[in-house]
Amino acid sequence: AQKITQTQPGMFVQEKEAVTLDCTYDTSDPSYGLFWYKQPSSGEMIFLIYQGSYDQQNATEGRYSLNFQKARKSANLVISASQLGDSAMYFCAMREGSAYNTDKLIFGTGTRLQVFP
Amino acid sequence: NAGVTQTPKFQVLKTGQSMTLQCAQDMNHEYMSWYRQDPGMGLRLIHYSVGAGITDQGEVPNGYNVSRSTTEDFPLRLLSAAPSQTSVYFCASSYSRFKGVAGAGELFFGEGSRLTVL
Repeated sequence: AQKITQTQPGMFVQEKEAVTLDCTYDTSDPSYGLFWYKQPSSGEMIFLIYQGSYDQQNATEGRYSLNFQKARKSANLVISASQLGDSAMYFCAMREGSAYNTDKLIFGTGTRLQVFP
Repeated sequence: NAGVTQTPKFQVLKTGQSMTLQCAQDMNHEYMSWYRQDPGMGLRLIHYSVGAGITDQGEVPNGYNVSRSTTEDFPLRLLSAAPSQTSVYFCASSYSRFKGVAGAGELFFGEGSRLTVL
């Protein structure tokens, strides 16, 4: 069964510094997708970045990048130049890509990031 | 652009009462799902649907029913509420990659519904 693990319940980072949020996954399916979502204190879920298992390069979206290490089954989110507005809960999620039922996303337990001045 | 709309945003129930959380999307997404979010447990999948007339159980389906009579709507029913169902509920939808749609297929979420069962 697929599984997502986020081992950091909370992280602190100083403004303008980079921070890495860890995510490891477990799946036997060779085709899968990895997602990161941000949940600010207001509660909405915001999609940040996606990495497909067959993508050759690490995904990047502005200040967000995904450090994808397939052999280690890790998909860490790197936020560069942290801003106060980055303070939020961050969730890693995975979708397996088998022929049937390719749409389910399974989420990790999340990491709460706090950015301080 | 409405996206995914959930109602109500807040609800207080007594143990044993029933209620329905409504979810509607206007993006013509085939896939819809319900999650519950509890502290320290992330988002757990309750039920999902890959199209009208098709539903399936997720990780924590007990105590919840769903139906999908149209592409747009995916209501979640609590038949007899229990305090353990106190949670924040999210409805989410996406294009179905099962239908061969390319791209990330990220989930679009509603704003959430906070349910308290006394």
